[in-house]
Amino acid sequence: GAGVSQSPSNKVTEKGKDVELRCDPISGHTALYWYRQSLGQGLEFLIYFQGNSAPDKSGLPSDRFSAERTGGSVSTLTIQRTQQEDSAVYLCASRLLPFSVGGPSGANVLTFGAGSRLTVL
Amino acid sequence: KNQVEQSPQSLIILEGKNCTLQCNYTVSPFSNLRWYKQDTGRGPVSLTIMTFSENTKSNGRYTATLDADTKQSSLHITASQLSDSASYICVVSAEGNNRLAFGKGNQVVVIP
Repeated sequence: GAGVSQSPSNKVTEKGKDVELRCDPISGHTALYWYRQSLGQGLEFLIYFQGNSAPDKSGLPSDRFSAERTGGSVSTLTIQRTQQEDSAVYLCASRLLPFSVGGPSGANVLTFGAGSRLTVL
Repeated sequence: KNQVEQSPQSLIILEGKNCTLQCNYTVSPFSNLRWYKQDTGRGPVSLTIMTFSENTKSNGRYTATLDADTKQSSLHITASQLSDSASYICVVSAEGNNRLAFGKGNQVVVIP
């Protein structure tokens, strides 16, 4: 697609429930990132995909968080047994190439989706 | 300690006035620095990207500067408009590293 699409845009859930957040990156972008943005805080790195593999998932805050990417395209971030502190905006971003690879400057731009706002009651 | 510090945290300016946002970083080895604009309820949108050898880069009324020696960057907004009200995020990447270091953002409010 023309941009990075995320769904749902808003999700309200009860503590203890599982949630799935979806990211559809720009077609052809090999690198995909998940970030979390809490109120008044900077973006917090969660996980990075290159193709379908996740060479860096060190940002996932606990084993309740997991993510996968299939077909080198759509990615799903799953939060199990949600807690109130999980409430945040979850942002997905994609890039043509990974940061560690040089290339045209336009390929360096990380394009973000609008985010999925999660509220855990 | 955050590797990217931005100041001021927030500011209010009158429409038509100029303002300058500051970003100091400690990321090393430095690869590039980006300024993003994030409107309320939207994802960040790239304004500029600067590499080590670039000192100034403009995008319309936005001008970014970079001093890689002092590890400082600024974003200057000229003749501000109401639509400039947003959070401006400074993002720094390290050479050979897929992680990015994000500042907490400068929250700008432009009033008529």
